[in-house]
Amino acid sequence: DQQVKQNSPSLSVQEGRISILNCDYTNSMFDYFLWYKKYPAEGPTFLISISSIKDKNEDGRFTVFLNKSAKHLSLHIVPSQPGDSAVYFCAADFTGTASKLTFGTGTRLQVTL
Amino acid sequence: SQTIHQWPATLVQPVGSPLSLECTVEGTSNPNLYWYRQAAGRGLQLLFYSVGIGQISSEVPQNLSASRPQDRQFILSSKKLLLSDSGFYLCAWSVRRSGAFFGQGTRLTVV
Repeated sequence: DQQVKQNSPSLSVQEGRISILNCDYTNSMFDYFLWYKKYPAEGPTFLISISSIKDKNEDGRFTVFLNKSAKHLSLHIVPSQPGDSAVYFCAADFTGTASKLTFGTGTRLQVTL
Repeated sequence: SQTIHQWPATLVQPVGSPLSLECTVEGTSNPNLYWYRQAAGRGLQLLFYSVGIGQISSEVPQNLSASRPQDRQFILSSKKLLLSDSGFYLCAWSVRRSGAFFGQGTRLTVV
Protein backbone atom coordinates (compact mmCIF):
# COMPACT_ATOMS: atom_id res chain seq x y z
CA ASP A 1 0.00 0.00 0.00
CA GLN A 2 1.81 3.07 -1.30
CA GLN A 3 0.60 5.89 0.92
CA VAL A 4 2.80 8.49 -0.73
CA LYS A 5 2.96 8.51 -4.50
CA GLN A 6 5.08 10.31 -7.02
CA ASN A 7 3.53 9.32 -10.31
CA SER A 8 6.18 10.86 -12.55
CA PRO A 9 9.38 8.85 -12.38
CA SER A 10 11.27 11.43 -14.40
CA LEU A 11 11.09 15.04 -15.54
CA SER A 12 13.22 17.04 -17.95
CA VAL A 13 13.28 20.84 -17.78
CA GLN A 14 15.34 23.49 -19.52
CA GLU A 15 17.68 25.62 -17.47
CA GLY A 16 15.96 28.80 -16.31
CA ARG A 17 12.46 27.34 -16.54
CA ILE A 18 10.22 26.20 -13.73
CA SER A 19 10.37 22.60 -12.46
CA ILE A 20 7.20 21.26 -10.87
CA LEU A 21 7.38 17.98 -9.00
CA ASN A 22 4.17 16.44 -7.76
CA CYS A 23 3.28 14.17 -4.88
CA ASP A 24 0.00 12.64 -3.72
CA TYR A 25 -0.82 10.97 -0.44
CA THR A 26 -3.68 8.84 0.80
CA ASN A 27 -3.38 8.92 4.60
CA SER A 28 -5.32 11.92 5.94
CA MET A 29 -3.45 11.60 9.25
CA PHE A 30 -0.26 12.95 7.69
CA ASP A 31 0.31 16.48 8.93
CA TYR A 32 3.91 17.25 8.00
CA PHE A 33 5.46 16.99 4.58
CA LEU A 34 9.03 17.21 3.38
CA TRP A 35 11.02 17.20 0.18
CA TYR A 36 14.44 15.60 -0.08
CA LYS A 37 17.01 15.76 -2.82
CA LYS A 38 19.25 12.81 -3.54
CA TYR A 39 22.36 12.43 -5.66
CA PRO A 40 23.57 8.96 -6.69
CA ALA A 41 25.39 7.00 -3.97
CA GLU A 42 24.62 9.66 -1.37
CA GLY A 43 22.06 10.01 1.38
CA PRO A 44 19.05 12.26 0.78
CA THR A 45 19.41 15.85 1.93
CA PHE A 46 16.55 17.83 3.36
CA LEU A 47 15.24 20.54 1.09
CA ILE A 48 12.05 22.08 2.40
CA SER A 49 9.08 21.15 4.54
CA ILE A 50 5.52 22.26 5.18
CA SER A 51 3.11 21.74 8.03
CA SER A 52 -0.53 20.95 7.32
CA ILE A 53 -1.59 24.26 8.88
CA LYS A 54 -0.02 26.04 5.91
CA ASP A 55 -0.64 25.82 2.20
CA LYS A 56 2.64 27.33 1.02
CA ASN A 57 6.23 27.53 2.19
CA GLU A 58 9.01 29.28 0.31
CA ASP A 59 12.78 29.08 0.64
CA GLY A 60 14.75 30.85 -2.06
CA ARG A 61 14.16 29.15 -5.39
CA PHE A 62 12.11 26.37 -3.76
CA THR A 63 8.41 26.61 -2.93
CA VAL A 64 6.22 23.81 -1.65
CA PHE A 65 2.44 23.98 -2.05
CA LEU A 66 0.02 21.84 -0.08
CA ASN A 67 -3.58 21.15 -1.07
CA LYS A 68 -5.04 19.20 1.83
CA SER A 69 -8.45 18.64 0.28
CA ALA A 70 -6.82 17.03 -2.74
CA LYS A 71 -4.12 15.34 -0.64
CA HIS A 72 -1.57 16.77 -3.00
CA LEU A 73 1.67 18.65 -2.66
CA SER A 74 4.06 20.04 -5.19
CA LEU A 75 7.59 21.41 -5.25
CA HIS A 76 8.35 24.33 -7.54
CA ILE A 77 11.92 25.19 -8.45
CA VAL A 78 12.36 28.57 -10.12
CA PRO A 79 14.61 29.10 -11.97
CA SER A 80 15.88 25.57 -12.53
CA GLN A 81 19.64 25.11 -12.62
CA PRO A 82 21.79 22.20 -13.87
CA GLY A 83 22.88 21.52 -10.27
CA ASP A 84 19.24 20.77 -9.44
CA SER A 85 19.48 17.55 -11.46
CA ALA A 86 18.86 14.80 -8.90
CA VAL A 87 16.17 12.49 -7.60
CA TYR A 88 13.56 14.25 -5.49
CA PHE A 89 11.61 12.40 -2.83
CA CYS A 90 8.55 13.68 -1.07
CA ALA A 91 7.90 12.36 2.41
CA ALA A 92 5.03 12.53 4.86
CA ASP A 93 4.89 12.26 8.61
CA PHE A 94 2.30 12.45 11.38
CA THR A 95 2.37 13.50 15.00
CA GLY A 96 3.98 10.92 17.20
CA THR A 97 6.97 10.18 19.38
CA ALA A 98 9.21 9.45 16.44
CA SER A 99 9.38 10.74 12.91
CA LYS A 100 8.48 7.78 10.72
CA LEU A 101 8.71 9.32 7.34
CA THR A 102 6.84 7.63 4.54
CA PHE A 103 8.58 8.28 1.26
CA GLY A 104 7.38 8.40 -2.29
CA THR A 105 9.25 6.52 -5.01
CA GLY A 106 11.05 9.62 -6.25
CA THR A 107 11.16 11.73 -9.39
CA ARG A 108 14.38 12.08 -11.33
CA LEU A 109 14.79 15.69 -12.46
CA GLN A 110 17.10 16.47 -15.34
CA VAL A 111 17.81 20.15 -15.98
CA THR A 112 19.17 20.62 -19.47
CA LEU A 113 21.20 23.49 -20.85
CA SER B 1 26.58 20.77 14.84
CA GLN B 2 25.16 17.31 14.37
CA THR B 3 26.87 14.77 12.15
CA ILE B 4 26.07 11.22 11.26
CA HIS B 5 28.61 8.59 10.29
CA GLN B 6 27.74 5.43 8.46
CA TRP B 7 30.12 2.73 7.30
CA PRO B 8 31.20 1.03 5.19
CA ALA B 9 30.28 2.97 2.06
CA THR B 10 30.21 -0.13 -0.13
CA LEU B 11 30.08 -3.80 0.69
CA VAL B 12 30.02 -6.97 -1.39
CA GLN B 13 29.02 -10.07 0.55
CA PRO B 14 28.29 -13.65 -0.47
CA VAL B 15 24.87 -15.17 0.10
CA GLY B 16 24.65 -16.73 3.55
CA SER B 17 27.31 -14.52 5.11
CA PRO B 18 26.60 -12.26 8.11
CA LEU B 19 26.16 -8.49 7.95
CA SER B 20 26.92 -5.65 10.31
CA LEU B 21 26.43 -2.01 9.34
CA GLU B 22 27.17 0.65 11.90
CA CYS B 23 25.90 4.17 12.32
CA THR B 24 26.86 6.78 14.90
CA VAL B 25 25.54 10.27 15.51
CA GLU B 26 27.46 13.15 17.04
CA GLY B 27 26.33 16.46 18.42
CA THR B 28 22.94 15.47 19.75
CA SER B 29 21.47 13.52 22.63
CA ASN B 30 18.55 11.09 22.66
CA PRO B 31 18.06 11.11 18.92
CA ASN B 32 15.53 8.92 17.19
CA LEU B 33 17.48 6.62 14.89
CA TYR B 34 16.37 4.93 11.69
CA TRP B 35 17.46 2.40 9.10
CA TYR B 36 16.03 2.84 5.60
CA ARG B 37 16.62 0.83 2.47
CA GLN B 38 16.36 1.91 -1.13
CA ALA B 39 16.05 -1.04 -3.49
CA ALA B 40 16.82 -0.56 -7.17
CA GLY B 41 14.14 1.58 -8.82
CA ARG B 42 12.16 1.95 -5.64
CA GLY B 43 11.62 4.55 -2.95
CA LEU B 44 12.98 4.65 0.55
CA GLN B 45 11.56 2.01 2.84
CA LEU B 46 11.73 2.34 6.63
CA LEU B 47 13.16 -0.85 8.12
CA PHE B 48 13.71 -0.05 11.79
CA TYR B 49 13.47 2.87 14.13
CA SER B 50 14.57 3.42 17.70
CA VAL B 51 13.50 6.03 20.25
CA GLY B 52 16.03 4.96 22.88
CA ILE B 53 18.72 2.50 23.94
CA GLY B 54 17.53 -1.05 23.47
CA GLN B 55 14.21 0.08 21.96
CA ILE B 56 13.79 -1.17 18.43
CA SER B 57 10.68 -1.16 16.29
CA SER B 58 10.52 -3.09 13.06
CA GLU B 59 8.40 -1.77 10.24
CA VAL B 60 8.58 -4.73 7.88
CA PRO B 61 9.25 -8.44 8.41
CA GLN B 62 12.57 -9.40 6.92
CA ASN B 63 15.90 -11.08 7.22
CA LEU B 64 17.47 -8.21 9.11
CA SER B 65 17.67 -7.04 12.72
CA ALA B 66 18.75 -3.85 14.43
CA SER B 67 20.27 -3.00 17.77
CA ARG B 68 21.01 0.19 19.69
CA PRO B 69 23.67 -0.58 22.28
CA GLN B 70 24.42 3.08 22.99
CA ASP B 71 22.43 6.31 22.74
CA ARG B 72 24.06 7.41 19.50
CA GLN B 73 24.88 4.06 17.92
CA PHE B 74 22.60 2.05 15.67
CA ILE B 75 23.57 -1.28 14.12
CA LEU B 76 21.92 -3.19 11.29
CA SER B 77 22.65 -6.92 11.20
CA SER B 78 21.87 -10.15 9.49
CA LYS B 79 22.94 -13.68 10.34
CA LYS B 80 22.63 -14.94 6.75
CA LEU B 81 22.31 -12.58 3.82
CA LEU B 82 19.93 -13.25 0.93
CA LEU B 83 20.25 -11.97 -2.62
CA SER B 84 17.16 -9.85 -1.99
CA ASP B 85 19.00 -7.97 0.77
CA SER B 86 20.98 -6.08 -1.87
CA GLY B 87 20.26 -2.37 -1.85
CA PHE B 88 21.28 1.02 -0.60
CA TYR B 89 21.01 1.26 3.19
CA LEU B 90 20.64 4.58 4.90
CA CYS B 91 20.92 5.49 8.55
CA ALA B 92 19.11 8.62 9.71
CA TRP B 93 18.42 10.54 12.89
CA SER B 94 15.80 12.99 14.05
CA VAL B 95 14.96 15.00 17.12
CA ARG B 96 11.33 15.82 17.78
CA ARG B 97 9.50 16.79 14.60
CA SER B 98 12.47 17.89 12.55
CA GLY B 99 12.23 15.35 9.78
CA ALA B 100 15.10 12.92 9.33
CA PHE B 101 18.74 13.65 8.48
CA PHE B 102 20.57 10.96 6.59
CA GLY B 103 24.03 9.46 6.48
CA GLN B 104 25.87 8.87 3.23
CA GLY B 105 24.55 5.35 2.84
CA THR B 106 25.99 1.87 2.29
CA ARG B 107 25.72 0.14 -1.05
CA LEU B 108 25.31 -3.57 -0.26
CA THR B 109 25.63 -6.12 -3.03
CA VAL B 110 24.92 -9.73 -2.14
CA VAL B 111 26.45 -12.15 -4.65
